[in-house]
Amino acid sequence: EDKVVQSPLSLVVHEGDTVTLNCSYEVTNFRSLLWYKQEKKAPTFLFMLTSSGIEKKSGRLSSILDKKELFSILNITATQTGDSAIYLCAVLNQGGKLIFGQGTELSVKP
Amino acid sequence: GAVVSQHPSWVICKSGTSVKIECRSLDFQATTMFWYRQFPKQSLMLMATSNEGSKATYEQGVEKDKFLINHASLTLSTLTVTSAHPEDSSFYICSARRTVSNQPQHFGDGTRLSIL
Repeated sequence: EDKVVQSPLSLVVHEGDTVTLNCSYEVTNFRSLLWYKQEKKAPTFLFMLTSSGIEKKSGRLSSILDKKELFSILNITATQTGDSAIYLCAVLNQGGKLIFGQGTELSVKP
Repeated sequence: GAVVSQHPSWVICKSGTSVKIECRSLDFQATTMFWYRQFPKQSLMLMATSNEGSKATYEQGVEKDKFLINHASLTLSTLTVTSAHPEDSSFYICSARRTVSNQPQHFGDGTRLSIL
């Protein structure tokens, strides 16, 4: 059975801290791995990773994929209170389905 | 950028009512749309894949007669929760993907359904 596992499930940090969120997967017919940020409404897209070892970066956020070890990390540097959200990792299979992890709830305290 | 519109954003209704939720891709065509359900503090669970012009594909355990999906055009899919009961209360989210591309799915803002 396909599964995506995220850790930690929740995390509390202070502004300015750096955090690393983890995502491991066991998915047949892997196509790509995606990270989303979910605040009060629906998820907003952050990154899509298809190739191993290539870091994707957007401002203070970055992510990388390791297809040999079947995991990805999402890094957030110099965290701000606006980074507080649930971060979802999802794997897209060749059939076009997204399999989501449980999410990591990040809380950034001032 | 790609935009997906979902309507309504919040519904409160009595038990036994049927509720229709619309999902529209505003600036692109989507032959495939997806419907998810999310319980509090839990992740998104795929309910069904909606295919334009054909029947939807439901995930295991999802009642197709309970959750009717219609994908009548390349920009619109609807989910109807028939004879809704309190246990159907949840956050329902749709997503859409461009017809021909390797682009990620883009999500609507979700519909919070509360059945009294």
